Amino acid sequence: DAGVTQSPTHLIKTRGQQVTLRCSPKSGHDTVSWYQQALGQGPQFIFQYYEEEERQRGNFPDRFSGHQFPNYSSELNVNALLLGDSALYLCASSFRVTEEKLFFGSGTQLSVL
Amino acid sequence: KNQVEQSPQSLIILEGKNCTLQCNYTVSPFSNLRWYKQDTGRGPVSLTIMTFSENTKSNGRYTATLDADTKQSSLHITASQLSDSASYICVVPLGGGGNKLTFGTGTQLKVEL
Repeated sequence: DAGVTQSPTHLIKTRGQQVTLRCSPKSGHDTVSWYQQALGQGPQFIFQYYEEEERQRGNFPDRFSGHQFPNYSSELNVNALLLGDSALYLCASSFRVTEEKLFFGSGTQLSVL
Repeated sequence: KNQVEQSPQSLIILEGKNCTLQCNYTVSPFSNLRWYKQDTGRGPVSLTIMTFSENTKSNGRYTATLDADTKQSSLHITASQLSDSASYICVVPLGGGGNKLTFGTGTQLKVEL
């Protein structure tokens, strides 16, 4: 049973570029949440997707957008990259929005130069 | 302001010793508190989830306590092993539940021979 998988594992971009990160939830899960974790900090909630709609959103600008597909996988898009966007981006999945036990992927390490 | 604060920031102990990590939270309304273990470069893994009615919960060598009156939690690790070296993060959902989580900055634990 595959857990939460994320791709790519590492990514290097330059300022102003756009990036797309991908996540496949754990088998049987239908809800995906995205988090940004800066070095030495705890993860910060970006948004959550359920039934292909954004259900909750954290304090992130509109440059951060997402999508959920019918197979429950999800993408995180970041436009006009800034140096401060360099972080580990974590995807977490659960069954339904309210399930409390989250399973996290290993993350995508994004470096913006 | 909804916050989760942890102490100590870092800790070094010898293999086989016990240790206790602390978490104070001001998130309201409160529904549950979670402890996660995060290895470097990996996603967090759930250790325990405690609701306001639970005082103690164990998961192997990990025991979490919760005092909802003082809004404090602790994570006690017994008979530490080298593999316990990781960041331990205290997490509380915003809005009384769901998966819009507030993460503490974690306690970085290093277990040495």
